[in-house]
Amino acid sequence: DVEMLQSGGGLVQPGGSLRLSCAASGFTFSSLAMSWVRQAPGQGLEWVSTVSAGGGSTYYADSVKGRFTISRDNSKKKVYLQMNSLRVEDTAVYYCANGRQGYWGQGTLVTVSS
Amino acid sequence: DIQLTQSPSFLSASVGDRVTITCRASQGISNYLVWCQQKPGKAPKLLISAASTLQSGVPSRFSGSGSGTEFTLTISSLQPEDFATYYCQQFNSYPLSFGGGTRVEIK
Repeated sequence: DVEMLQSGGGLVQPGGSLRLSCAASGFTFSSLAMSWVRQAPGQGLEWVSTVSAGGGSTYYADSVKGRFTISRDNSKKKVYLQMNSLRVEDTAVYYCANGRQGYWGQGTLVTVSS
Repeated sequence: DIQLTQSPSFLSASVGDRVTITCRASQGISNYLVWCQQKPGKAPKLLISAASTLQSGVPSRFSGSGSGTEFTLTISSLQPEDFATYYCQQFNSYPLSFGGGTRVEIK
């Protein structure tokens, strides 16, 4: 069975940093692009970032460009999201996902507040 | 950037009703569109890929159609477990994007 287990998240002050991790199993991780998607409280889904299967290409939403960095380690079957210079408006549940395949993590709450 | 406009944003329907949700893309995206369902506090669940391919295990009352700029998700006979929020997402080009969502509630 496919499993995407997320870790990281929590409460951080504005301007702070946080790193999210997602460990995948049950599929050929190294052959699929992986994404992070977030959902602010009471709001819809927002695509954040994608890393290509090999890790050589990365894409970001304008709202996070220059502050967030996506990466992956295919040997460990993990994808990461390094979040720097966090803002109050980054508060959301963050999901790792491959939406085309329907693979989603359980979600992790990131709260940015003083 | 490609914008996806879902309509309606909210609908109230009864069990057994036929429900149609529309997703319009601001430019052509071929069939690079998926539909997912989300229930409160849960991760989204993929229903339809490539605009019209029903995912394994998804009831046949769900169907998707369309290509280019206009897409529809149809639930042929609404069941109690279908009350949820539905999103379309495009994979044609970056930045990827979601529709604003359609919340389906019990009348």
